[in-house]
Formats: sequence, C-alpha cells, structure tokens
Amino acid sequence: QSVLTQPPSVSAAPGQKVTISCSGSTSNIGNHYVSWYQQLPGTAPKLLIYDNDKRPSGIPDRFSGSKSGTSATLGITGLQTGDEADYYCGTWDSSLSVYVFGSGTKVTVL
Amino acid sequence: EVQLVESGGGLVQPGGSLRLSCAASGFTFSNYEMNWVRQAPGKGLEWLSLIKNSGTTIYYADSVKGRFTISRDDAKNSLYLQMNSLRAEDTALYYCARSQCTSTSCFRDYWGQGTLVTVSS
Repeated sequence: QSVLTQPPSVSAAPGQKVTISCSGSTSNIGNHYVSWYQQLPGTAPKLLIYDNDKRPSGIPDRFSGSKSGTSATLGITGLQTGDEADYYCGTWDSSLSVYVFGSGTKVTVL
Repeated sequence: EVQLVESGGGLVQPGGSLRLSCAASGFTFSNYEMNWVRQAPGKGLEWLSLIKNSGTTIYYADSVKGRFTISRDDAKNSLYLQMNSLRAEDTALYYCARSQCTSTSCFRDYWGQGTLVTVSS
C-alpha cells in the first residue's frame, strides 16, 4: 500500500473540471511540499505541479495544485481528451526518509 | 535540452545481478541530486533511491535496501544502479529522474524514458 492515498479513478466530460485528492500524514504532506506528475499512456512521468501549487514552464493554467494540512489536491479545468492519463502525487516522508508517491489516479474523459 | 537516457535493462534469472546506467546531458550533472524510480507492469510509481549531488548522501526504499546500490560518476555525467539478488517482483520499467532542489523542496523535474528489467527463469 502507498503511504499517500489517491482515488483510483475520476472522470468527467470534456470541458468540465476534476479534482484528485492525495491524503497523507504529518510526516509527509503535513510537513513537506507536494509535487504532481502526469503519465500519459506509454510515456514517462512528467512534472505537472511542484511546491504544492507552482506550475513549471509550459504547463497550462488549467492545472492547479493546493495543500491543506495532510492532504493535497490537483485540479484540472477545461478537461480535454489529451488529459487522459495517470496522475501521481509525491513528497518526502521524513519518518521513513524516503520519497513517496501516491497510489495514482486514472483520469478518464467521458 | 535536458536528456536522461537509461540503459542496461534486460532479462535476468532470479538471484542474478544487473547494472543500470543513466546518461545525462544538457545540464551540469554534478550540481544535481538524482533518483531511480520504477514501475512494475500495470502498477504505479515506486521511488527506489536518490543520491545527492555530493555523492555522500544516499537514501533507499526498504524494498531494495541491501540489494541495490546507487552511484554516480560526475566525470562521465552518469548515474548507476547496481541490482543484486534480483527477484521476480523487481520486474519493472526503471526510470532515472533528476531532482530540482530549491530552498523549500526537491522535486523530480526531468525523467528518462526508462529501461525494462525482467526477472524470470
């Protein structure tokens, strides 16, 4: 089991919004910054959000991140078919001294 | 352009060894923390290990501690993962990833395309 818990899947129609939750504890999300990664089918993961809510250059503002306490959330607005992918949260866990990824969430555009 | 190219994967018998390499280009390799991450078929991402840019600080996931060894050669702009005592459950696509570290955090900003390791008799 992953230290960080994500819903296995979320779905919405094109143009709609989805949110993906990432639940952890004080040893990880509660005291460390969260990153989000997008993995399109058959490709390597790609950094989507870092430091909870910052977007790297080239990532559209349809993608947003937030953190509250021991949970983080990724939001995707204006959903497009090209957004169909697996999404992972990640952060450092200071109790385990390891980097941890969430269990992953598959986004489906209906 | 930042590029990370993994190599060294293949088919190995249980109990065997394999050494993965990651060739880096497009950035000053010696300045960056580097990671190995794997993904078993149909499964999620599993972080395995990181080595700080100093090379003196290393962390491992419990699943590979004592069996895998991460190392780097800054002169060759290369990252390595020596894998011993391989098990069927080590079958996965192995990625190297660069860490970008700021004053607040380190995040994995560039990833290679991966090299496939299959452990089977």
